[in-house]
Formats: sequence, structure tokens, C-alpha cells
Amino acid sequence: GEDVEQSLFLSVREGDSSVINCTYTDSSSTYLYWYKQEPGAGLQLLTYIFSNMDMKQDQRLTVLLNKKDKHLSLRIADTQTGDSAIYFCAERASGGYQKVTFGTGTKLQVIP
Amino acid sequence: EAQVTQNPRYLITVTGKKLTVTCSQNMNHEYMSWYRQDPGLGLRQIYYSMNVEVTDKGDVPEGYKVSRKEKRNFPLILESPSPNQTSLYFCASSLGGRIYEQYFGPGTRLTVT
Repeated sequence: GEDVEQSLFLSVREGDSSVINCTYTDSSSTYLYWYKQEPGAGLQLLTYIFSNMDMKQDQRLTVLLNKKDKHLSLRIADTQTGDSAIYFCAERASGGYQKVTFGTGTKLQVIP
Repeated sequence: EAQVTQNPRYLITVTGKKLTVTCSQNMNHEYMSWYRQDPGLGLRQIYYSMNVEVTDKGDVPEGYKVSRKEKRNFPLILESPSPNQTSLYFCASSLGGRIYEQYFGPGTRLTVT
């Protein structure tokens, strides 16, 4: 079945860039997502990328997709303390049913 | 305000005592799902529903039941809870479509002793 993997923890200093990585196994993935989970809250969609794109930029966020290596990354420029959260990578394959497979989540700690 | 609500937010119960976690969305979404979140395992889908009276198993359905009698509600039922069902549970809904953005509830932390 599908598998989505992430490192569990990342610590960065405020103002630096953060790069959160993700690998997936399903070659039929059509959409790849980054969700953010703040403490005590549910997940919220941060950004997404379609599989025929290799990069997407949205303000401080840059998503890079290497489809050949099945590798996805999220770069947060000028990381702020408010960016401290768990970040989940997720992938969705094509097909009638909208099944989304989530990764293990990466906890980002921003040090002031 | 568009939202997904879950109740209760916190629940401590004993093995074997039936419980229901409610989920309701006010966005007229067709798709709804239940996930559980466990440390090191991320989110795993328990059940999903594509519309009223249409439900199916996700990746970890054992020990759970769901129903979808109305579009807005998707309760999760644990007929005989066991300690391995201690977890953080999330309900989510989506309009579907190309992007399939999911909107998550705030979570229910369940402890089974």
C-alpha cells in the first residue's frame, strides 16, 4: 500500500529557513499536500502541489517536488515562533475514491 | 462560521463500555472521514463516507463502527473499547473536487483504561 515518511523532529532558530522533507511510495499520486497542526488543534491545509508541477511558491512557503525520487519538501523562509507546529505531508492517488495517506508528521520547534 | 465540531473533546472510559464520538459539519460537505493520530504513526484513516448511507473501511477499521444517516453528521462508535484504542481522534470533511481540501475538527482525546 501507500507509504509516506517524514523525519519526526526539526529544530531551527527564528529567522532561519526550515526545510521539512517527505518521501512517498505511490507513483500514481496526483496531489501532494502539506497540513499544519498547531498544539491542541486539528490539521489545516497549508499548501498543495499537483504532480505535474515541480515547484510552487506561496509567500514564505516553497514546495519542491521531485517526482522521479518521490520526494517532497516544504521550505519556510524566515521561520517565526508562530510556525512551531507539526507538519504533515499527505498524498492522494487518482481514482474515484478520494483517499489521502498522511505521513508521520514532523514537529518543528522554532527557537527564539 | 464554517467548521467541523466533535464531542466530547476529552473522554476517559473503561474497557468494554460502549461510547460514541459525534462529528458534525456545517459546510454541506459530501465526504467525511475519521482518523486516529498516534505518536510515530501519523494519521491513519478509520472509516470514510462519500455521502449519506455510503460508508467504507479505511486502513484501521477494527473495533469501530460509523453511520451516516444525515449529511452533516458522522458519529464514530466504539462498541467495546479496549486500551489499544487510546488515541487522538479527528473527524474531517471535504467538498471533494480536484483539490479535495479536508477540514478537520479539533480532535477527541480518548483514554481507555
